[in-house]
Amino acid sequence: EIVLTQSPATLSLSPGERATLSCRASQTVKTNYLAWYQQKPGQAPRLLIYGASIRATGIPDRFSGSGSGTDFTLTISRLEPEDFAVYYCQKYGGSPIPFGPGTKVDIK
Amino acid sequence: EGQLFESGGGLVQPGGSLRLSCAASGFTFSSYAMSWVRQAPGKGLEWVSAIDGNGGITYYADSVKGRFTISRDNSKNTLYLQMNSLRAEDTALYFCAKDRSLLWFGQLISWGQGTLVTVSS
Repeated sequence: EIVLTQSPATLSLSPGERATLSCRASQTVKTNYLAWYQQKPGQAPRLLIYGASIRATGIPDRFSGSGSGTDFTLTISRLEPEDFAVYYCQKYGGSPIPFGPGTKVDIK
Repeated sequence: EGQLFESGGGLVQPGGSLRLSCAASGFTFSSYAMSWVRQAPGKGLEWVSAIDGNGGITYYADSVKGRFTISRDNSKNTLYLQMNSLRAEDTALYFCAKDRSLLWFGQLISWGQGTLVTVSS
């Protein structure tokens, strides 16, 4: 069973800065079935990225995903005020579907 | 991508039962697999269970296997989660989520706002 770890746990940045979030899997994620979700306080998660690098419908191009195998990265090129949230990575494509513990991006 | 609305949460004693519902609208419900995902207070996301679009194939996390049952009524556009033998550690906000296709894949493209389940004496 794949276990996902995310780093850092918290990332303190200012609007306009670049955010780089890491997700590491305990085993190879086949076919890059790796997704990223954003969750704001009091809201449901929202799918940002799937297939490690494909933006979901309506997601701005400042969000990008990369990586393969066991190491994946979510990059937010220039933080907007609405981007401060918790980000989760998730492996999909078969039971179970683990989530990482999350990275909180907060305002410095 | 439609809308999802969960209901049925509440306060229940340990060992008790509860049935959650998720009403879907704005899309062809029977064409999509569905999942339940929960979030304990202040914690991360945990996938709980899933069902394919036809309702014939179900999946469960080890933590709920044998206690929870997922089902769906495509004529009513509604997803269910029957939760039995509830424990304190089942306390969480329960989300329903729509998958990308008829067969369950785990790529959760839209979510409801959740219903809160509290297990306490």
